[in-house]
Amino acid sequence: DSGVTQTPKHLITATGQRVTLRCSPRSGDLSVYWYQQSLDQGLQFLIQYYNGEERAKGNILERFSAQQFPDLHSELNLSSLELGDSALYFCASSVEGSYNSPLHFGNGTRLTVT
Amino acid sequence: GENVEQHPSTLSVQEGDSAVIKCTYSDSASNYFPWYKQELGKRPQLIIDIRSNVGEKKDQRIAVTLNKTAKHFSLHITETQPEDSAVYFCAASKMSSDYKLSFGAGTTVTVRA
Repeated sequence: DSGVTQTPKHLITATGQRVTLRCSPRSGDLSVYWYQQSLDQGLQFLIQYYNGEERAKGNILERFSAQQFPDLHSELNLSSLELGDSALYFCASSVEGSYNSPLHFGNGTRLTVT
Repeated sequence: GENVEQHPSTLSVQEGDSAVIKCTYSDSASNYFPWYKQELGKRPQLIIDIRSNVGEKKDQRIAVTLNKTAKHFSLHITETQPEDSAVYFCAASKMSSDYKLSFGAGTTVTVRA
């Protein structure tokens, strides 16, 4: 167990809907990352937060947004969902969020858009 | 931004043989190179990492080598076992205002019994 908790494990929704994915980092970790993994695809970086502030942004769509709360948990909001948004969404955390901090991944949320 | 290419995309080896996965990166300023293993249906897990001031690092049956001049690094697994079957991702990052870790596309390793 990595100590990173993601909920829900599975999510099935229809196109055009909005969903929220939740992540609780490991105790003591200040930084949270979100990654998208589509079928047979690698890990696409979406966004990183450190102690409540956005630190880095990847190829995150404008329909997607995220935030990290004072208690350090994070939420990824996906709106106007399309079929192509179906993927496994991973949250990861690290202690410092620096460039060489090992990432600890959660078990992911599998999103299916029908 | 950083571009990491990983080869091969699939690798099948006989149990007991060695497996080698190679990655190249584009940004010469990159100086941290981790490897993650993702078993089927599970989360990626860090198995080894190397920093640019080191040319090689070993941990039991796993080793990573780095050639900064050629901008490539490799993962070597010796005496492969069935539990080594997984997808392996290489990654690269650098000290900068942008802390993101760029991953390769992954290599699916299958160890045949």
